[in-house]
Amino acid sequence: NAGVMQNPRHLVRRRGQEARLRCSPMKGHSHVYWYRQLPEEGLKFMVYLQKENIIDESGMPKERFSAEFPKEGPSILRIQQVVRGDSAAYFCASSPPGQTTGNTIYFGEGSWLTVV
Amino acid sequence: GESVGLHLPTLSVQEGDNSIINCAYSNSASDYFIWYKQESGKGPQFIIDIRSNMDKRQGQRVTVLLNKTVKHLSLQIAATQPGDSAVYFCAEGTGNQFYFGTGTSLTVIP
Repeated sequence: NAGVMQNPRHLVRRRGQEARLRCSPMKGHSHVYWYRQLPEEGLKFMVYLQKENIIDESGMPKERFSAEFPKEGPSILRIQQVVRGDSAAYFCASSPPGQTTGNTIYFGEGSWLTVV
Repeated sequence: GESVGLHLPTLSVQEGDNSIINCAYSNSASDYFIWYKQESGKGPQFIIDIRSNMDKRQGQRVTVLLNKTVKHLSLQIAATQPGDSAVYFCAEGTGNQFYFGTGTSLTVIP
């Protein structure tokens, strides 16, 4: 049973370019979360999605950032016109369907974005 | 989101000693708590969880204690080993919403 798969693992972009990070949840999971982690810091919630729906995007910057989780295919975190401050590790996590307390979320290995 | 914080950002322990990592949370409505371990360059790895209707839960070499009165969570690692060196995060959740603390870096001294 494959875990949460993220790609690319490492991505280098020049300022002003676009970055696209992909996440395939664990088999059977329909909930996806994106978190950002700056060096030496904790995980900051960005967005929570279910298939074709954004449930909570309270942690997403208002500009340049967007996320989707289409009916088919992986979840995509898109960062337009990247700036150096976007350099971070971006982690995706997934959990099974349902609202029951106790649905643990499982993380991928992360995508490290470096903006030069 | 709600704030979740850790009392100690770094912790050093001798190999074989017990480790205690603390976490404070602020949302009294949180009903589910998880501890994760993150090694350098990797994603967070699930260690142990506890629901709000419990105050203690034990796993293999780890114990989580929950004090809802003071909104405090702790992770105890017995007989700490070099492989336990990592950053440890607590997370609080309600339903499918989760928020993480800053993390504590644990270093095990051989």
